[in-house]
Amino acid sequence: EDQVTQSPEALRLQEGESSSLNCSYTVSGLRGLFWYRQDPGKGPEFLFTLYSAGEEKEKERLKATLTKKESFLHITAPKPEDSATYLCAVRGGGSYIPTFGRGTSLIVHP
Amino acid sequence: ETGVTQTPRHLVMGMTNKKSLKCEQHLGHNAMYWYKQSAKKPLELMFVYSLEERVENNSVPSRFSPECPNSSHLFLHLHTLQPEDSALYLCASSQGRFKPRGQETQYFGPGTRLLVL
Repeated sequence: EDQVTQSPEALRLQEGESSSLNCSYTVSGLRGLFWYRQDPGKGPEFLFTLYSAGEEKEKERLKATLTKKESFLHITAPKPEDSATYLCAVRGGGSYIPTFGRGTSLIVHP
Repeated sequence: ETGVTQTPRHLVMGMTNKKSLKCEQHLGHNAMYWYKQSAKKPLELMFVYSLEERVENNSVPSRFSPECPNSSHLFLHLHTLQPEDSALYLCASSQGRFKPRGQETQYFGPGTRLLVL
């Protein structure tokens, strides 16, 4: 059974204070690891898909990296508008249905 | 319209009402999903429809009934709901099984905020 654990559950940062969110996973035959951003009361917004260890992707202040056991979402010099819940999910070779973590709630104070 | 759309965006209903949520995807996908998201809780998969199969979460009560007339449309029929069913209901779509690498990503709609009185 695929499993995803995200840490920390909640993170408070000052504007400009860089940090990282963690997503640890176990999966049989990784077909993709996904990061989403979710604002309160809205649907998750797709950010990145990573496929193999060593892969990295960037978008504005966000950078996602992948190893064989975990993924990090690095946030560089965050701004208050980066405040949201960040969700991680994996899709294994055994199923096309992704498994989601519980998310990390990020608050960036001005 | 692009992506995944959901209607209505907000719904208030009494426990004796019958209503339906609608989802439409414009991405050419062949798998569609219903999720429930309650406050402070993780995403809960309710139903999946794909060309290959229908998947149900056995813990979902029978007062929720899905319908998928084709690969672009998905409905969630609601009847005699309970206050604890109040939540954000999210629809998503993706490519199903046996698709080439690079087409695995699941995309979500904006959600329907449901309040059961």
